[in-house]
Amino acid sequence: DARVTQTPRDKVTEMGQEVTMRCQPILGHNTVFWYRQTMMQGLELLAYFRNRAPLDDSGMPKDRFSAEMPDATLATLKIQPSEPRDSAVYFCASGLITGTGVALPMNTEAFFGQGTRLTVV
Amino acid sequence: KNQVEQSPQSLIILEGKNCTLQCNYTVSPFSNLRWYKQDTGRGPVSLTIMTFSENTKSNGRYTATLDADTKQSSLHITASQLSDSASYICVVSGGPGNNRKLIWGLGTSLAVNP
Repeated sequence: DARVTQTPRDKVTEMGQEVTMRCQPILGHNTVFWYRQTMMQGLELLAYFRNRAPLDDSGMPKDRFSAEMPDATLATLKIQPSEPRDSAVYFCASGLITGTGVALPMNTEAFFGQGTRLTVV
Repeated sequence: KNQVEQSPQSLIILEGKNCTLQCNYTVSPFSNLRWYKQDTGRGPVSLTIMTFSENTKSNGRYTATLDADTKQSSLHITASQLSDSASYICVVSGGPGNNRKLIWGLGTSLAVNP
């Protein structure tokens, strides 16, 4: 049963601490997205990778957020130092997408993980 | 500015009833429009994908319509079930050629009560 796996499911941390979220994309997918979801903003794209190369991280606060893909089976999103305003649900999604750009062409789909609920107190 | 707006923000209906959710967008140029269902505590799951030339697409009890002229889409749910309780999100792909993006709506929260 192919699925995107995210860990941890829930994380509560104190302000100033480092937080690392992990994502295992579906085997064979070449594109990985990181999204943040809040009630006020909905789903916001933070960064995405194609064939492990970062293509767009303009949605990410550069001073504290970093995203990496050390190998094809692991993507990480790190926040250091964390702040209360970072509290949100962070989703990873993967897909098999040709071409460039972050928009999904008609014949492709992005599959989402169950998310990591982050609370920074 | 590319935007996707959904209405209503929330909706409560009784099991067995029908409902229609709305999505208006200003994304241009338009590529495709998707409806996602997001259950509480889970990631979004795609329901339908529609292009410019498609007016209607069904997926079981879900029927999506698209009017590309007025830039409006709707998602109709027939004979609702308790399991339809979820957030329904409209997403539009589009934008200038080398900067095409996914624009997400904030979603409609649907509660189906027995």
